Amino acid sequence: EVQLVQSGGGLVKPGGSLRLSCAASGFTISSAWMTWVRQAPGKGLEWVGRIKSNAGGGTVDFAAPVKGRFTISRLDSSNTLFLQMDSLITEDTAVYYCVGKDTWGQGTLVTVSS
Amino acid sequence: QAVVTQEPSLTVSPGGTVTLTCGSSTGAVTSGHYPSWFQQKPGQAPRSLIYGINNKYSWTPARFSGSLLGGKAALTLSGAQPEDEADYYCLVSDDGGRVFGGGTTLTVL
Repeated sequence: EVQLVQSGGGLVKPGGSLRLSCAASGFTISSAWMTWVRQAPGKGLEWVGRIKSNAGGGTVDFAAPVKGRFTISRLDSSNTLFLQMDSLITEDTAVYYCVGKDTWGQGTLVTVSS
Repeated sequence: QAVVTQEPSLTVSPGGTVTLTCGSSTGAVTSGHYPSWFQQKPGQAPRSLIYGINNKYSWTPARFSGSLLGGKAALTLSGAQPEDEADYYCLVSDDGGRVFGGGTTLTVL
């Protein structure tokens, strides 16, 4: 069974950093295109970024609002995907979802507030 | 970045048929945009519903179908059920990344 379990959300001050984790089971993340999606409170879904599979080149793409501030990486030994978020702003407040193999994680809330 | 447009809200009667659409500010949505559809119920994570225009997952109810219609991606629900009441989002490829539509709130009433 494909499953994604997320961790790492919380409250952070503007300008701060946070790292989200997404532990996968039932498949190997290096063989899949893995995506991060966020949803601000009461708003719609927003595509954040993606890392392609090794076969796809492993390249990373980001949406304009987070480019240069967010980084996506993965640790193959633990089959875990990460979203490193730096220089956070209040507009980054959202529930963040990881998505892989057409399966969504449970989401984790990130709140950026002073 | 493209702006992807969906109907903000639609209502369908139980057992009825409704079509949700997904348009792009850059022009016609084509197979190259790899349109996908997602369903989200209140308080839940979204669920993947359709990929690549009209491909279903093992968990996608048969009453849902995808297509291209008049330059837009479309999601048709035939024989609406009360449990289909949800928000629906389309996702299309754009300039190396992907963009979600604003979502459609579907009411079954």
